[in-house]
Amino acid sequence: GENVEQHPSTLSVQEGDSAVIKCTYSDSASNYFPWYKQELGKRPQLIIDIRSNVGEKKDQRIAVTLNKTAKHFSLHITETQPEDSAVYFCAASIRGGSYIPTFGRGTSLIVHP
Amino acid sequence: NAGVTQTPKFRVLKTGQSMTLLCAQDMNHEYMYWYRQDPGMGLRLIHYSVGEGTTAKGEVPDGYNVSRLKKQNFLLGLESAAPSQTSVYFCASNLLAGGTQETQYFGPGTRLLVL
Repeated sequence: GENVEQHPSTLSVQEGDSAVIKCTYSDSASNYFPWYKQELGKRPQLIIDIRSNVGEKKDQRIAVTLNKTAKHFSLHITETQPEDSAVYFCAASIRGGSYIPTFGRGTSLIVHP
Repeated sequence: NAGVTQTPKFRVLKTGQSMTLLCAQDMNHEYMYWYRQDPGMGLRLIHYSVGEGTTAKGEVPDGYNVSRLKKQNFLLGLESAAPSQTSVYFCASNLLAGGTQETQYFGPGTRLLVL
């Protein structure tokens, strides 16, 4: 089955800096890669996703890049703010297949004011 | 439109007791999932369902059972609770595989403490 590795497990940055979280996946058939943000005590919520026919996608201060050859994808947050502090999860799944996503173990992002 | 709801929000059990966690969604979603979340372990899939009347095992199914008698409800049962089942349980759903329906919508979670 699919295996998703996520790094780092903890990331500490100063407000205004950029943050990058990386994930690798094992199944070359995976073609859908969502990112979820989970604030403390809250439920995970989708913040951005990318499909394998696209190399990069942006939404304001967040962007996701995908390298299919290397089987890795990354979340980039620019101009970080304290409210970006949360746990971020990546996932991989196969559109049109069973779909069932495999999640990474999460990255705890701490943004210091 | 309440989205995905979970009952109860918090529960304390003694070892050996049983309980059922209820997940309900009002979005007419086909797929439903139960995850457990433990520190440093991410979201681990317990069981899932791809439609009314169907269930399947996920990554960590031992000690749990599920039922999907109605499309909008997905029940997670613990027949004989163990301290190792202390966790936060999240239910999730999504419409269908394919298109933009892959987005999973999560419930607010149930905190379970087994003494």
